Amino acid sequence: GAVVSQHPSRVICKSGTSVKIECRSLDFQATTMFWYRQFPKKSLMLMATSNEGSKATYEQGVEKDKFLINHASLTLSTLTVTSAHPEDSSFYICSARGGPGGYYEQYFGPGTRLTVT
Amino acid sequence: GEDVEQSLFLSVREGDSSVINCTYTDSSSTYLYWYKQEPGAGLQLLTYIFSNMDMKQDQRLTVLLNKKDKHLSLRIADTQTGDSAIYFCAESGGGQAGTALIFGKGTTLSVSS
Repeated sequence: GAVVSQHPSRVICKSGTSVKIECRSLDFQATTMFWYRQFPKKSLMLMATSNEGSKATYEQGVEKDKFLINHASLTLSTLTVTSAHPEDSSFYICSARGGPGGYYEQYFGPGTRLTVT
Repeated sequence: GEDVEQSLFLSVREGDSSVINCTYTDSSSTYLYWYKQEPGAGLQLLTYIFSNMDMKQDQRLTVLLNKKDKHLSLRIADTQTGDSAIYFCAESGGGQAGTALIFGKGTTLSVSS
């Protein structure tokens, strides 16, 4: 099946610093990647849609200057949380569209646990 | 707006069948999905069903879709302790496959031996 990786899996940073999270599709090309945020005991909240070579589309309420997304290639998208605050602590999950099932399947990365102290 | 609802908890005994239910509101949804999430991990795609299908079976998994009632269910036959996880129902937003998914809050399945 299609594999999506995320790096790092866990990160602890100090308030005010920036953190970059990478999302890679390892064995397929993903023209579109999605970034989600998951709160404890809650569902996934879509943050933004990232298309290779173009600007990301952010969901309402998501600050694009705080959550910088770069989709540099067909296999890599990055999410940078700038000037992190404790309320940004969360589980961030990316997904990539494509893979063996093609257009209709989305494969998720293992997630990145961000803790801001 | 679009909404996906699931019951939050389900407990079954090992060997029994589990049925996880989901309702959605977007009648234009083209694809409906079931994902599994184990503790601390990402989401694993279990199966999906196209809206013109009523049923899809894949080994121990059976998906039933009642499009009229906007009701989706996932049946796991011969449930094992390794099936304990959170199961998310999701629909393709805006009725377009491959767009971002709209998720329910997830059903926590607990399997006791």
